[in-house]
Amino acid sequence: GEQVEQRPPHLSVREGDSAFITCTYTDPNSYYFFWYKQEPGASLQLLMKVFSSTEINEGQGFTVLLNKKDKRLSLNLTAAHPGDSAAYFCAVRSSDSGYNKLTFGKGTVLLVSP
Amino acid sequence: EAAVTQSPRSKVAVTGGKVTLSCHQTNNHDYMYWYRQDTGHGLRLIHYSYVADSTEKGDIPDGYKASRPSQENFSLILELASLSQTAVYFCASSPDRGVSNERLFFGHGTKLSVL
Repeated sequence: GEQVEQRPPHLSVREGDSAFITCTYTDPNSYYFFWYKQEPGASLQLLMKVFSSTEINEGQGFTVLLNKKDKRLSLNLTAAHPGDSAAYFCAVRSSDSGYNKLTFGKGTVLLVSP
Repeated sequence: EAAVTQSPRSKVAVTGGKVTLSCHQTNNHDYMYWYRQDTGHGLRLIHYSYVADSTEKGDIPDGYKASRPSQENFSLILELASLSQTAVYFCASSPDRGVSNERLFFGHGTKLSVL
């Protein structure tokens, strides 16, 4: 089945710096990709979803890059601020199995210090 | 915004006891899921359901049962709780598996401690 590896498991940056998180996956038929953010003690909230190959999506303060050729999904928080401190999870939907199954990465705990 | 409510928010159980975690959604979603979250493991799917009165096994179903008595409610049952089931449990829902409806809506989680 699908395997998703997320790096790094922990990341500490200073306010204003960039924070870069990467996920690699194994199923070449995967076609939906997500980033979720989990603030301490809270639930997971969708940050962004992408489904086109080699897509760059820009959100508020972050960029998501999908490279299907390399089977790599990246999240770049530009100019991070303390409010970005949270756990971030990538999730990948593999080939159609008849239900909305997502395989999650193990998460990255990001700490942004002032 | 979709609403998924879990109860209880936290629970302490004894080894060998029965535990029931409840989930209620008001989104009219067909799909519901139970995930567990462990440090260093991300989220892993335990059971899911796509219609009332039917449940399916996820990736780690052993030691768990699920019940979907109605579209709105989905329960996770630990008949004989064990120490290894200490974790945070998340319920989620999603619309049907149409192409445009891929995201999950999560509840706030239930922290279960088995002693």
